[in-house]
Amino acid sequence: KNEVEQSPQNLTAQEGEFITINCSYSVGISALHWLQQHPGGGIVSLFMLSSGKKKHGRLIATINIQEKHSSLHITASHPRDSAVYICAVSGGSNYKLTFGKGTLLTVNP
Amino acid sequence: GAGVSQSPSNKVTEKGKDVELRCDPISGHTALYWYRQRLGQGLEFLIYFQGNSAPDKSGLPSDRFSAERTGESVSTLTIQRTQQEDSAVYLCASSLNLATEQYFGPGTRLTVT
Repeated sequence: KNEVEQSPQNLTAQEGEFITINCSYSVGISALHWLQQHPGGGIVSLFMLSSGKKKHGRLIATINIQEKHSSLHITASHPRDSAVYICAVSGGSNYKLTFGKGTLLTVNP
Repeated sequence: GAGVSQSPSNKVTEKGKDVELRCDPISGHTALYWYRQRLGQGLEFLIYFQGNSAPDKSGLPSDRFSAERTGESVSTLTIQRTQQEDSAVYLCASSLNLATEQYFGPGTRLTVT
């Protein structure tokens, strides 16, 4: 069974700061997902990646397959980025997702 | 186009009753997933479908839970003889295929009294 660990559990930042959220997993995977959950519950998929790096606007996701580690970066953070960020992985031919417990990000103006 | 829709948005039921939760995926998406999120807790995988087949049912919490999908479209999650611990938000997601990004519905909040 894959264990997914996220850090930090909680993160408070000032508007404009560079944010990094980390995710590590214990078993080789086929894909890693970063999800965003706003207060009120809606979940949005931010990235799905299996290697390298992806960028979308102010968000950057990287993955190191050898180290079993991924990072989500937010540049020039804004209060609207306040949300729970969730890392999830799927492995091999099994597309079942295993989730981390999430990182609660609060960005203050 | 239309996103993933779920109904009802809220459901309150008495312990012991059966409930059916519905998910309408994005048109053309062959893969469909059900998840559960209990209050204050993380997401749990329940089941996924490729087409109308469910290769992995290992996430279903008990034999009171079942799911089906028809016409490679709508899916229903049925919980029989509901218990208070079934109270949660049930989320559905769909993707073009199993190897692509998932799009989530708004969820159904189930409260068992």
